[in-house]
Amino acid sequence: NAGVTQTPKFQVLKTGQSMTLQCAQDMNHNSMYWYRQDPGMGLRLIYYSASEGTTDKGEVPNGYNVSRLNKREFSLRLESAAPSQTSVYFCACRLQGRGGRSGNTIYFGEGSWLTVV
Amino acid sequence: GIQVEQSPPDLILQEGANSTLRCNFSDSVNNLQWFHQNPWGQLINLFYIPSGTKQNGRLSATTVATERYSLLYISSSQTTDSGVYFCAVVSQGGSEKLVFGKGTKLTVNP
Repeated sequence: NAGVTQTPKFQVLKTGQSMTLQCAQDMNHNSMYWYRQDPGMGLRLIYYSASEGTTDKGEVPNGYNVSRLNKREFSLRLESAAPSQTSVYFCACRLQGRGGRSGNTIYFGEGSWLTVV
Repeated sequence: GIQVEQSPPDLILQEGANSTLRCNFSDSVNNLQWFHQNPWGQLINLFYIPSGTKQNGRLSATTVATERYSLLYISSSQTTDSGVYFCAVVSQGGSEKLVFGKGTKLTVNP
């Protein structure tokens, strides 16, 4: 049981380049999330998806696009990377609903370190 | 949207001391969790606690939903408790938006 898998783990981009961060979960969870973490800023929500085929903006969506093509995968795309997007990116998932503890626990990937130069 | 405030932002303790971390939120919630982020960046779930009290070893948590706050207690702190502690909530408004506080950075000195 891999849980939440993010790729790549490390990436260096040049300003203006594009890339996609991939996230896959094997827990059959409905909700998936993308966060960025900057020093002293905690985790800020970029986009989230409550179910397959739906996405919603979070706190800091500008400069990003997402895609939830199936239940397992939720990708984050930077179309034209900027130095301000240098950050650690975390993907997370949650079952939803008011079920038991395990159903409402949030599971995180190990993070993707992105540097834009 | 819902606001989450954590205090204190920084906390320095000697090994063996006790501490209380606080999380205030601005709206009713149906999900509240506490996390520990270790020095390697890994986020570890500590408690799922939208209301009530739970304990796990030296850690315990209490959420008073009607007053919109949650407390995380760490007793007999150890150097391995160092890191950042986050509170995260989902409001009852029906959205699946999961919002984090800015965290409390805990340093436990030997």
